Amino acid sequence: GENVEQHPSTLSVQEGDSAVIKCTYSDSASNYFPWYKQELGKRPQLIIDIRSNVGEKKDQRIAVTLNKTAKHFSLHITETQPEDSAVYFCAASTLRGYSTLTFGKGTMLLVSP
Amino acid sequence: ETGVTQSPTHLIKTRGQQVTLRCSSQSGHNTVSWYQQALGQGPQFIFQYYREEENGRGNFPPRFSGLQFPNYSSELNVNALELDDSALYLCASSFPRGTNTDTQYFGPGTRLTVL
Repeated sequence: GENVEQHPSTLSVQEGDSAVIKCTYSDSASNYFPWYKQELGKRPQLIIDIRSNVGEKKDQRIAVTLNKTAKHFSLHITETQPEDSAVYFCAASTLRGYSTLTFGKGTMLLVSP
Repeated sequence: ETGVTQSPTHLIKTRGQQVTLRCSSQSGHNTVSWYQQALGQGPQFIFQYYREEENGRGNFPPRFSGLQFPNYSSELNVNALELDDSALYLCASSFPRGTNTDTQYFGPGTRLTVL
C-alpha cells in the first residue's frame, strides 16, 4: 500500500519568514495530494491540493509543488503569521475503485511573533 | 450548504464495551470515509461507504464495522473495545463519483476514551 513520509516533525519560524514542509510517497499510481491544517482540538481543514497533472499550485500565501518523478511534494507558506501555527498533514490518494487518503505523521508549525 | 457533522463530541467507555459513532455528510456528498487519529499521528483510514455498501477498508479488524443510510449519513461501530481504540474518530465526506471524488471534507471528530 501507499506510504507517506513527512518532514520535519516540528518547525519553528519567526513571523514573516517562509516555511516549507516536505513529503514523499511510495505509490507511483497516487494522483491527488491534499494538504490539511489541524488546529488543536479542531477538524483537519483542507488548505490546498494538487493533482498529478499539475506541477505547482498557488493560493495567496500558500503554494504546493509536485515532482512526480521523485515522488515528492512540498507545501510552501510565505509571510507566515501567528495564526498559521497548527499541525499540517500531507496526504496522497490513489483512485482505484474507491479513494482513500494516506496521511503523513504531521508537522507542528509554530510561528513566533 | 451544511458541513460534515459528527456526534457525540466526546465519549468515555470501558474495555469490552461497544460504541456507535455517527456522521452526517456534507450536503450533496454521497461517500463517507472513517478515519482513526491517535494522539500525535495522522489520520488512518478505517473504511469507506458508498451507496450504503462498504467500498474499501484499511487495516482494521472486523470488530470495526459501519453502516450508511439512504440519506448518506453513516455510523461507525466498534465492538469489544480495547485501550488502544482511544483516539479521535473522524468522518469525511466527498463528492459523488466522477467529480473530484478524492477531495474529502472532515467533520469535527468524536474523541473516544477507553478506560
